[in-house]
Amino acid sequence: GENVEQHPSTLSVQEGDSAVIKCTYSDSASNYFPWYKQELGKRPQLIIDIRSNVGEKKDQRIAVTLNKTAKHFSLHITETQPEDSAVYFCAATSGSARQLTFGSGTQLTVLP
Amino acid sequence: EPEVTQTPSHQVTQMGQEVILRCVPISNHLYFYWYRQILGQKVEFLVSFYNNEISEKSEIFDDQFSVERPDGSNFTLKIRSTKLEDSAMYFCASSEAPTNTGELFFGEGSRLTVL
Repeated sequence: GENVEQHPSTLSVQEGDSAVIKCTYSDSASNYFPWYKQELGKRPQLIIDIRSNVGEKKDQRIAVTLNKTAKHFSLHITETQPEDSAVYFCAATSGSARQLTFGSGTQLTVLP
Repeated sequence: EPEVTQTPSHQVTQMGQEVILRCVPISNHLYFYWYRQILGQKVEFLVSFYNNEISEKSEIFDDQFSVERPDGSNFTLKIRSTKLEDSAMYFCASSEAPTNTGELFFGEGSRLTVL
């Protein structure tokens, strides 16, 4: 089955700086890669996703890049704000799967 | 905005007891899921459900677990004989289309504490 590795587990940045979180996946058939933000005690919420036919996608301060050859994808947050502080999870799924496999999460702390 | 709703928000039970967690998916969604998250750990897939049957399940979803769609709106997860290690947040989710083509919407979760 799919295995998703996520790094780093914790990340602290100064407000205004950029944050980058990286994930690798094992199943070359995976074709959908969402990123979720989870605030303490809350549900995971989709912030951006990318499909395998695209190399990069951007939504305001958030961007995701995908390298299918290397089987890794990354989340980039620019101009970070304190409200960006949360746990971020990457995930992957393949066309035949009805399940998301999540990474282990990154606790992002944006220091004012 | 339509939401996935879950009840109860928190349930405390004794080891060996049966628990039923309830979910109301978004009304026009066809695919339903249960995930769980042990405190401080990642979200893990349990089961997916489509067209009134299980379409996929993980190794975690053993014989003590079952799912049901008893009517047109509810989707339930039953844990038959709870164990200490079942303590976790259980998230219900739904989507219009399969996971890789449709966004997954999560409920707020049901926290299960097994004593």
